[in-house]
Amino acid sequence: EVQLLESGGALEQPGGSLRLSCTASGFTFSHYAITWVRQAPGRGLEWVSSISGSADTTYYADSVKGRFTISRGNSANTLYLHMDSLRVEDSAVYYCACRVAAYTDYFVYWGKGTLVTVAS
Amino acid sequence: EIVMTQSPVTLSVSPGERATLSCRASESVRDNLAWYQQKPGQAPRVLIYGASTRASGIPARFSASGSGTEFTLTISSLQSEDSAVYYCQQYKKWPPLTFGQGTKVEIK
Repeated sequence: EVQLLESGGALEQPGGSLRLSCTASGFTFSHYAITWVRQAPGRGLEWVSSISGSADTTYYADSVKGRFTISRGNSANTLYLHMDSLRVEDSAVYYCACRVAAYTDYFVYWGKGTLVTVAS
Repeated sequence: EIVMTQSPVTLSVSPGERATLSCRASESVRDNLAWYQQKPGQAPRVLIYGASTRASGIPARFSASGSGTEFTLTISSLQSEDSAVYYCQQYKKWPPLTFGQGTKVEIK
C-alpha cells in the first residue's frame, strides 16, 4: 500500500525558514517523480514543486522560485521541501503527492498534509 | 500558463438528482485533465484522469467528458457523501501544473 506522510510544518515568522519532509512507503521511491501541492486556508489547490525520481530535474512555481528548494533522499525514501524567506502568503497545508509514475501528471496518492503558518 | 476556470462556484443539488460541473481551459489541454474530490479536512482524491477515465475504486455514478478546452464532470445520482469541493487539473503543459478554483457541491 502506497503511503505518504508529511512532517515539519510549524509556526514561523516572516523571513524565516522551514524544512518539510514527506516519507514514502509501499513503492520503489527512487523510480518515481513526486510533487508538493499546497492549499491556503479556505482556498484552492496550488502546485508548488516537482522532482524527478533521480532528482536530476526539478520544477517550481513562480511564487516560490528562488526561495524554496525541493530535494529527495532516495535511500531514506524521503522527499524534502526547504523553504527560505517565508512570507505570510506561504501559509498553507502542504501535501506531497504522486502517481507512482516516472513523470508528473496527475496525482493518485496524497499525504494527509502538514500545516505551515507564517505570522509574526 | 494555462488557466483553468470552473463553474459554478457552488452547486446545490437534491439527493438522487444529477450534478453537472464544468471546467474550461484557457488553451487546449487535449485530454490531459484530471478531476479531484476533496472533503473537509481531507486530502484530495482523484476521480477521473485522461478527461474521462474513472480512477480505481471510483463509483460509476461519476463520469466525465470533454477534450480540448471544455470539460464536464457529472454525478448521475447525488449521494450525501458526494458533498465536497471538486477540482479540475491540467497536465498537458507545465510548469506550472494548474488547478481550477473548485466547485463546492452541497446537498439541498
